[in-house]
Amino acid sequence: AQKVTQAQTEISVVEKEDVTLDCVYETRDTTYYLFWYKQPPSGELVFLIRRNSFDEQNEISGRYSWNFQKSTSSFNFTITASQVVDSAVYFCALSEAYSSASKIIFGSGTRLSIRP
Amino acid sequence: DAGITQSPRHKVTETGTPVTLRCHQTENHRYMYWYRQDPGHGLRLIHYSYGVKDTDKGEVSDGYSVSRSKTEDFLLTLESATSSQTSVYFCAISLGQGYNEQFFGPGTRLTVL
Repeated sequence: AQKVTQAQTEISVVEKEDVTLDCVYETRDTTYYLFWYKQPPSGELVFLIRRNSFDEQNEISGRYSWNFQKSTSSFNFTITASQVVDSAVYFCALSEAYSSASKIIFGSGTRLSIRP
Repeated sequence: DAGITQSPRHKVTETGTPVTLRCHQTENHRYMYWYRQDPGHGLRLIHYSYGVKDTDKGEVSDGYSVSRSKTEDFLLTLESATSSQTSVYFCAISLGQGYNEQFFGPGTRLTVL
């Protein structure tokens, strides 16, 4: 069975600090996708990144970076030099590549608060 | 912008009344989903559809039904609303097999009194 665990329920840091959001997943499949979504206070869900299980290269997009390690079944998300606009709930998610209808399992989310 | 709208955006209803939420997409995507979001639970899949008239249950389907008579519309019905169904409901679409990422509508906040 597939499962996504985000053990950090809430994180609060001061602006300009770096912060890492942890994500640990479980799956029996060898081919799968991992995702991160952002939910700002306005409530919409914003897709941030998809990573497939065969690509363990870390990804960087501006202040955002993602560290995928199959050995520890983790897909962690780091925000460098955090800003108040980064305040949101962040969800990690998993989809098995041949899942019926491309279903996704979400973690319970990490609420990130950036204090000015 | 994946062209997904949900209606209504907010609704207050009373226990025992039927409620229908509508999800509309403009890009003819095959896969559509209904989730509910509750504190501490993230997003949980209620029902999904893989084509017109093709639907299946998700992990929290009890008390909900769905219909998809057109590609662009996916309806979620609470036959007899209960207070435990107070939640924020999100519709999503997927680009399909091999992509798997989903794009979400703006959500519907439903309160059952």
